[in-house]
Amino acid sequence: QSALTQPPSASGSPGQSVTISCTGASSDLGGYNSVSWYQQHPGKAPKLMIYEVNKRPSGVPDRFSGSKSGSTASLTVSGLQAEDEADYYCSSYTGSSNFVFGGGTKLTVL
Amino acid sequence: EVQLVESGGGLVQPGGSLRLSCAASGFTFNSYWMSWVRQAAGKGLEWVANIKSDGGEKYYVDSVKGRFTISRDNARNSLYLQMDSLRAEDTALYYCARGYGAYYTWGQGTLVTVSS
Repeated sequence: QSALTQPPSASGSPGQSVTISCTGASSDLGGYNSVSWYQQHPGKAPKLMIYEVNKRPSGVPDRFSGSKSGSTASLTVSGLQAEDEADYYCSSYTGSSNFVFGGGTKLTVL
Repeated sequence: EVQLVESGGGLVQPGGSLRLSCAASGFTFNSYWMSWVRQAAGKGLEWVANIKSDGGEKYYVDSVKGRFTISRDNARNSLYLQMDSLRAEDTALYYCARGYGAYYTWGQGTLVTVSS
């Protein structure tokens, strides 16, 4: 149950787009479409931003989008805003009702 | 309003036990899988365990198998995590979360510190 691999940091200027990657293996991310993304501001609980690769829960801006190719999933944030600065985590199903998270990416809005 | 409120955290010595609770409100508790997710200070999220809506299926991350037990009381809208043989590496903020993989609702967390 190794953690999924995310870049430790990403950044972009207001209005720009930034993409965060999440790499796994064929036994987890590559084998299932149960990929989720979470946003976590300092001192706060995580918030679900994307589920099932590319679906947005009600209330999540459409500036947030998800995709997957092979064993790599991606979260794209378009039209960056100051409030998007946070930590982002991906998560995937790994089989047998087990799940794994990525190590997290700190997104900085310059 | 959908809400999850954890309690039961604290300071415990290595080898000790602790029982976490999570009180749910604002949704039909007995219709949802529930999970525990933990986060060590300054570290990432780690899925710990989950339990089916009727309590009939339970799953754990390898590092806690045989030491932690997840359970629920649907009559009380409550989720529990019994933690035995605690180790220093179990020190973390423990979140209760609604869902199976996609965690739509999270509590504020309860802090568990394992130290002598």
